[in-house]
Amino acid sequence: AQSVTQLGSHVSVSEGALVLLRCNYSSSVPPYLFWYVQYPNQGLQLLLKYTTGATLVKGINGFEAEFKKSETSFHLTKPSAHMSDAAEYFCAVVASNTGKLIFGQGTTLQVKP
Amino acid sequence: DGGITQSPKYLFRKEGQNVTLSCEQNLNHDAMYWYRQDPGQGLRLIYYSQIVNDFQKGDIAEGYSVSREKKESFPLTVTSAQKNPTAFYLCASSIRGRGDEQFFGPGTRLTVL
Repeated sequence: AQSVTQLGSHVSVSEGALVLLRCNYSSSVPPYLFWYVQYPNQGLQLLLKYTTGATLVKGINGFEAEFKKSETSFHLTKPSAHMSDAAEYFCAVVASNTGKLIFGQGTTLQVKP
Repeated sequence: DGGITQSPKYLFRKEGQNVTLSCEQNLNHDAMYWYRQDPGQGLRLIYYSQIVNDFQKGDIAEGYSVSREKKESFPLTVTSAQKNPTAFYLCASSIRGRGDEQFFGPGTRLTVL
């Protein structure tokens, strides 16, 4: 069965510093992978997704993620954090047998001035 | 503008009462979903529907019911059988359902007093 693990429930960075949010997945088939962002009391917004093709995926707001099959990882990065990046981030994988999304537990990103 | 609407934003109910949460989409998507979000637990799938007049249980369907009489509407009823209904509820839709990007509504925060 597919699963997603996000390492670190809380990550704190200084404004202008590198953002790295970790996501590892398990899947018996080539996965579809997603990163979503959620601002307080709002729904989720898609940041980026990997289906096939180029393993480095660029998303909105300067975020990108790299699919590494050998490491079963899909870590999210941004070179320079902005205060507006403070939010909760979710990694998700598609369950091959049902097509449903399976979400990680989420990582709260705090950006310090 | 196309999108997903959920109403109301905040909902208060007394214990033992059934309550129905509304979800409407004008994206012409076939598939719709309901998730429950609790702090530190990510998103858990309650019910999903891939076509009108058909729906399937997700991971935590007990105490909930849904209907899909129209393509654009997927209401969720939280029944008195749900032991801990206080949570943030998110509705989502996708074009077909198997691995497609899901678009989320703004959510409804239900508090049972």
